[in-house]
Amino acid sequence: AQSVSQHNHHVILSEAASLELGCNYSYGGTVNLFWYVQYPGQHLQLLLKYFSGDPLVKGIKGFEAEFIKSKFSFNLRKPSVQWSDTAEYFCAVSTYGNNRLAFGKGNQVVVIP
Amino acid sequence: DAGVIQSPRHEVTEMGQEVTLRCKPISGHDYLFWYRQTMMRGLELLIYFNNNVPIDDSGMPEDRFSAKMPNASFSTLKIQPSEPRDSAVYFCASSSGLAGGPSPFFGPGTRLTVL
Repeated sequence: AQSVSQHNHHVILSEAASLELGCNYSYGGTVNLFWYVQYPGQHLQLLLKYFSGDPLVKGIKGFEAEFIKSKFSFNLRKPSVQWSDTAEYFCAVSTYGNNRLAFGKGNQVVVIP
Repeated sequence: DAGVIQSPRHEVTEMGQEVTLRCKPISGHDYLFWYRQTMMRGLELLIYFNNNVPIDDSGMPEDRFSAKMPNASFSTLKIQPSEPRDSAVYFCASSSGLAGGPSPFFGPGTRLTVL
């Protein structure tokens, strides 16, 4: 079964700083990749997803992620964060033809005004 | 669309009691997922359905857990009897099988506390 690793579980940064969250998965076949965000007290919302095509994916709220197949990675980035980006971010992976979505443990991001 | 609807939003019960969580997926979605979120284990997939049929229940912890989907607009997750270690947030999610693969839309979750 596929597994997902997210490092730096707690991230604290100031407004306007750049954010990068790492995501690595373990599966050698074709994968679908996702980033979800969970704002305090709310449910998970899809930020962006990659199925095929351009490995640089742009999502909502200025987020983007890059799929690097050789590194089994799908890192999330935002060049300039805002206080409202304070949330928990989850990377998730599913394999082609299998609808099981495996989630990483999440990154708790706190943006200080 | 109202999104995925879950009820109740909060449930507090005593050990040994039966708990039933409810979910109404987004209309037209043919996949429905039940997830559990805890601090220790993060988000775990418990079971998912396709066209009301359970496809993969390998994540269901034990026989105390059961899930049903009697029709395309309703699903339940039942715990009987409940135990304190079942305390968690339970999310229901739904998706459409079109467009290359499911990217589930999540409901607001049910926060379950078993005393």
